[in-house]
Amino acid sequence: EAAVTQSPRNKVAVTGGKVTLSCNQTNNHNNMYWYRQDTGHGLRLIHYSYGAGSTEKGDIPDGYKASRPSQENFSLILELATPSQTSVYFCASGDGLSLEQYFGPGTRLTVL
Amino acid sequence: GDKVKQSPSALSLQEGTNSALRCNFSIAATTVQWFLQNPRGSLINLFYLVPGTKENGRLKSAFDSKESYSTLHIRDAQLEDSGTYFCAANNAGAKLTFGGGTRLTVRP
Repeated sequence: EAAVTQSPRNKVAVTGGKVTLSCNQTNNHNNMYWYRQDTGHGLRLIHYSYGAGSTEKGDIPDGYKASRPSQENFSLILELATPSQTSVYFCASGDGLSLEQYFGPGTRLTVL
Repeated sequence: GDKVKQSPSALSLQEGTNSALRCNFSIAATTVQWFLQNPRGSLINLFYLVPGTKENGRLKSAFDSKESYSTLHIRDAQLEDSGTYFCAANNAGAKLTFGGGTRLTVRP
């Protein structure tokens, strides 16, 4: 059973539209993360959370919001999508003590 | 500059040979993770390290926090080892900082 799942797996959006990417984890981890991966870069942290109700800015938060309504779910929200946000987005959950992270399968987002 | 620098950026190996990948840190890393991103794009956990070494089958990894580097050794490379290897360091709080990756191709 996959412990970190993401939906949708692929998404095409229009410029200026709203996009919501969803992540669910069954690891019972306190911490959750959203990254993006672009060609020529490793993974870059957008937002993260220490638990339900908490969201923190990562290294590249501009243009993104996050929501953590429960231990299991963490969403990434693009209120006004732009073509520069075309990327592959990964969600991860992390153990609150060791900080080891486990990744979902990724969501490929194309903004036209 | 890059806080986590991986080398080499790309590597081609003959099946059955050995190699080593390296990460150098300009941050005070406390733990390190190594991942393999396979050709389908999935990120597979290979190692989670505090200072020291770990071994798993044909893979062995070391992390030296005083000298600020980590290595991943691949022994008897197989075709299924192909992909991009990432190291990531934790230095404070819950965040990981990723290197740029090493793209490995194993040739038959």
